[in-house]
Amino acid sequence: DIQMTQSPSSLSASVGDRVTITCRASQSISGYLNWFQQRPGKAPKLLIYAASSLQSGVPSRFSGSGSGTDFTLTISSLQPEDFATYYCQQSYSSPPVTFGGGTKVEIK
Amino acid sequence: EVQLVESGGGLVKPGRSLRLSCTASGFIFGDYGMTWFRQAPGKGLEWVGFIGSKTFGETAEYAASVRGRFTISRDDSKSIAYLQMNSLKTEDTAVYYCARARFYGGRRLYFDYWGQGTLVTVSS
Repeated sequence: DIQMTQSPSSLSASVGDRVTITCRASQSISGYLNWFQQRPGKAPKLLIYAASSLQSGVPSRFSGSGSGTDFTLTISSLQPEDFATYYCQQSYSSPPVTFGGGTKVEIK
Repeated sequence: EVQLVESGGGLVKPGRSLRLSCTASGFIFGDYGMTWFRQAPGKGLEWVGFIGSKTFGETAEYAASVRGRFTISRDDSKSIAYLQMNSLKTEDTAVYYCARARFYGGRRLYFDYWGQGTLVTVSS
């Protein structure tokens, strides 16, 4: 199975900060990488698919990049509603679909 | 508006069975594959399994941790996907989510709509 490693596992940031989360795959997954946001007690929400395609309705402050094994999710200007846990997920080699361990974005 | 609503969760003893339902609305259910995920308390997301649409023969695939115990099925006439869970273990305790699956790049999947989840607790 392909392992997905996210870093950092948590971070503290202020409203308005630029935030970058990285995700590394244990082998090349081309561009088959998706990003999700999960607020406490809520279901995951798709933000980015195919590494850099913004899901409909998602604010443009979210962006994704990368290919092969290294990917990033960037929030250009952190908003109060962005404090949540973020997960990357690969579907290059499935089954199984696999997720990173998550990055919790907290208020500084 | 696309909506997915899970139901059927609850407290169950180890070794027993439970069936979850995922009721869909707002889209042509039969055109999409459906996927189940779970999230143990305080943990990350885990893929449970997937069922294809009729076009893809309603093929089902499962995570190794549930294969042989869990079965996914669908009733397109009712717009419902099911997760039949047998021989439940304490480690199956989790919130279970269903999600709509879409393909890109061949058989690669992404999951664009999720239900709110239903809690399954396996305990004696």
